[in-house]
Amino acid sequence: ETGVTQSPTHLIKTRGQQVTLRCSSQSGHNTVSWYQQALGQGPQFIFQYYREEENGRGNFPPRFSGLQFPNYSSELNVNALELDDSALYLCASSSSRGFLNTEAFFGQGTRLTVV
Amino acid sequence: AQTVTQSQPEMSVQEAETVTLSCTYDTSENNYYLFWYKQPPSRQMILVIRQEAYKQQNATENRFSVNFQKAAKSFSLKISDSQLGDTAMYFCAFIAHSGNTPLVFGKGTRLSVIA
Repeated sequence: ETGVTQSPTHLIKTRGQQVTLRCSSQSGHNTVSWYQQALGQGPQFIFQYYREEENGRGNFPPRFSGLQFPNYSSELNVNALELDDSALYLCASSSSRGFLNTEAFFGQGTRLTVV
Repeated sequence: AQTVTQSQPEMSVQEAETVTLSCTYDTSENNYYLFWYKQPPSRQMILVIRQEAYKQQNATENRFSVNFQKAAKSFSLKISDSQLGDTAMYFCAFIAHSGNTPLVFGKGTRLSVIA
């Protein structure tokens, strides 16, 4: 167990809907990164939050947005869901500001299915 | 841009035997970190082993060791005395020491340990 928890574990949504995924970071960690892992692929970086501010973003459209709260937990929001958004969404927390998350700890992920 | 390639989509090994998973990467960076992550059916990404590029000595963690060939940009994982619990997806990942880019993952190798 890494201390990083994600909710919900599974979710089914309809195309066009909006979804919010949640992540509680490990105690003492102030940085949260989100990854999308499509079936049969490695995780792809979506964005990172450090002390409530977006600290970097991957090649994802603006309908992917996020928040980080004062307790360093985080949300990933996806608007106008598309079928290709079906994936496992992973959250990772760490205590470093940059991307050099050599001690990043991952949650168990949220499996999102868009129908 | 950095890329990570895992050329073996699936592998299998008999329990107690040794198996080697391959990974190559491409980067113009001189200082970086390489990782192997394990993702069991529980989906949680677990760090197996880490290698700093400036260290010539190959990293080892109990039954897990790496063969890091910097000039060849190769980073293979050797699992000795394979156990049933080693059955999982294994991902090779890269991050630049500069911290300017996020973790880059390969597509993974599915390892099955057979009794």
